[in-house]
Amino acid sequence: AQKVTQAQTEISVVEKEDVTLDCVYETRDTTYYLFWYKQPPSGELVFLIRRNSFDEQNEISGRYSWNFQKSTSSFNFTITASQVVDSAVYFCALKSDNYGQNFVFGPGTRLSVLP
Amino acid sequence: DTGVSQDPRHKITKRGQNVTFRCDPISEHNRLYWYRQTLGQGPEFLTYFQNEAQLEKSRLLSDRFSAERPKGSFSTLEIQRTEQGDSAMYLCASSSGTGLSNEQFFGPGTRLTVL
Repeated sequence: AQKVTQAQTEISVVEKEDVTLDCVYETRDTTYYLFWYKQPPSGELVFLIRRNSFDEQNEISGRYSWNFQKSTSSFNFTITASQVVDSAVYFCALKSDNYGQNFVFGPGTRLSVLP
Repeated sequence: DTGVSQDPRHKITKRGQNVTFRCDPISEHNRLYWYRQTLGQGPEFLTYFQNEAQLEKSRLLSDRFSAERPKGSFSTLEIQRTEQGDSAMYLCASSSGTGLSNEQFFGPGTRLTVL
């Protein structure tokens, strides 16, 4: 079975604070892919990053960084110096090779960045 | 704008009526997905097309649901004899290439309310 858990339902921070969104996944496959999507108030999901199971290098893109650790089945997302425009719901998703095109999304974490 | 488009954006219907939604993917994308998202949850996979072939269907897709992509371009999702439990946001996404895990680009969704 495949599962994605995002234990933090809602997080509030004050602008310029750093914030980390947690994602824990479950899969029996050795080949799989992990994603993060942002869903702003407008509703449209925006792709942020994809990681495959063979590449555990952490990645940084501007104020965003991702920490992939296979040992703990986690793919956490950090926003540095948060801004009000970062307020959104963030989803972690998993796709395993043996489950076809069935992308499994977590329940999401609602981030509110206060001015 | 060459993103994924969906029509209508909102649909209110009475229980028992049939509804049809349309999705126009990004033009060069051969893969098309339908998802359902209820309040406070992540998207749930419904079905997947590669070109005009419907290759995967979720168990969530009951007999009242049918999807088509007749010419491998736009797709329609029809719900027959709607029930109140069908109220949700219906999302369409598309992706390109032959890779197993290409990122999906989402449309704005169609919000269905069944009275």
